[in-house]
Amino acid sequence: AQKITQTQPGMFVQEKEAVTLDCTYDTSDQSYGLFWYKQPSSGEMIFLIYQGSYDEQNATEGRYSLNFQKARKSANLVISASQLGDSAMYFCAMREAGYSSASKIIFGSGTRLSIRP
Amino acid sequence: DSGVTQTPKHLITATGQRVTLRCSPRSGDLSVYWYQQSLDQGLQFLIHYYNGEERAKGNILERFSAQQFPDLHSELNLSSLELGDSALYFCASSDRVGEKLFFGSGTQLSVL
Repeated sequence: AQKITQTQPGMFVQEKEAVTLDCTYDTSDQSYGLFWYKQPSSGEMIFLIYQGSYDEQNATEGRYSLNFQKARKSANLVISASQLGDSAMYFCAMREAGYSSASKIIFGSGTRLSIRP
Repeated sequence: DSGVTQTPKHLITATGQRVTLRCSPRSGDLSVYWYQQSLDQGLQFLIHYYNGEERAKGNILERFSAQQFPDLHSELNLSSLELGDSALYFCASSDRVGEKLFFGSGTQLSVL
């Protein structure tokens, strides 16, 4: 069965430092997708980045990059030059199955990131 | 604005009652996912519909049911409500490629 694990319930980071949020996953599928979402205190879910299991390059979106290590089944989110506005809950998620029309997408328990000025 | 519309934004009801949450996906998206987020918890996957058909099911209670209509909007029905059903219910939609889930702003359900 697919499973997503985020082992860091909370993290404090100094503004302008880089931060890595850990995510490991378990799946028996060869084809899957990995997502990261941000949930600020306002509650909305904001898409950050996506990595497909067959993508050879690590995904990047602005200050966000996904450190994808397939053999270790890890998909860590790296935020460069953190900002106060990055304080939020961060969720890792996984979609199993090669085609999205028959898939479930499950989320990890989240990491609460707090940026110190 | 994600393009996904959820109504109502807030719902307060009593135990034992039945409510219906509505979701309109982004234009052209065929997939609708429903999630439950309890206080300070992660998102629990409930159910996935694709073009009107149920495609995947999570730990959805028997008291809960959902459907997706021909115009692709979806409804989540919650019946015999209990205090523990109080949560933020999200729906999300995606296109066929499925490389991004677009979330609605959620329905905050309070069962008193």
